[in-house]
Amino acid sequence: AQSVTQLGSHVSVSEGALVLLRCNYSSSVPPYLFWYVQYPNQGLQLLLKYTTGATLVKGINGFEAEFKKSETSFHLTKPSAHMSDAAEYFCAVSENSGYALNFGKGTSLLVTP
Amino acid sequence: DVKVTQSSRYLVKRTGEKVFLECVQDMDHENMFWYRQDPGLGLRLIYFSYDVKMKEKGDIPEGYSVSREKKERFSLILESASTNQTSMYLCASSFDQAFFGQGTRLTVV
Repeated sequence: AQSVTQLGSHVSVSEGALVLLRCNYSSSVPPYLFWYVQYPNQGLQLLLKYTTGATLVKGINGFEAEFKKSETSFHLTKPSAHMSDAAEYFCAVSENSGYALNFGKGTSLLVTP
Repeated sequence: DVKVTQSSRYLVKRTGEKVFLECVQDMDHENMFWYRQDPGLGLRLIYFSYDVKMKEKGDIPEGYSVSREKKERFSLILESASTNQTSMYLCASSFDQAFFGQGTRLTVV
């Protein structure tokens, strides 16, 4: 069985500050890990994914995440927050590319001026 | 540009009605999914299909069924709508990553 825990349902950062959204996973097989973003009244958009290989993954809009097997973590970071980053962020895990995703409960990111 | 299209953005239905939510993808993907999104609960898997001949229950299938008669179309059916099925419904298709539709916000009154 696979599951994801996102720490913090709401995170607030100042514009220009570091963004750190936490995700820990549980998986009995090597995981495939994803971060998705959802803007209001829209579907989900893929930010980045980890399948195999390099553990530091770069995504769109300046986001990156690092797969740490020893910590079972896949935290999302961005060096400098923009107002346009305000959205809901979901971490997800699957047992293979293209398979059903198990999502965390989401983290709402607020960016203040 | 890849597309997953859900037939309605907003729907209001009455308790007891049979409701059809339609989803069409243009990427020739084998895999298709229906998720339900509720505040504080994230997205939960209702049904999925890895082949046009195959349908599998996800984590919360009760009160739902699905139809997949063609590769590109995956329909979610609420057999007898109830107020606790008021939610946002998201369809997705995938090959190596999932692409999502815009969602259907269903209200059952």
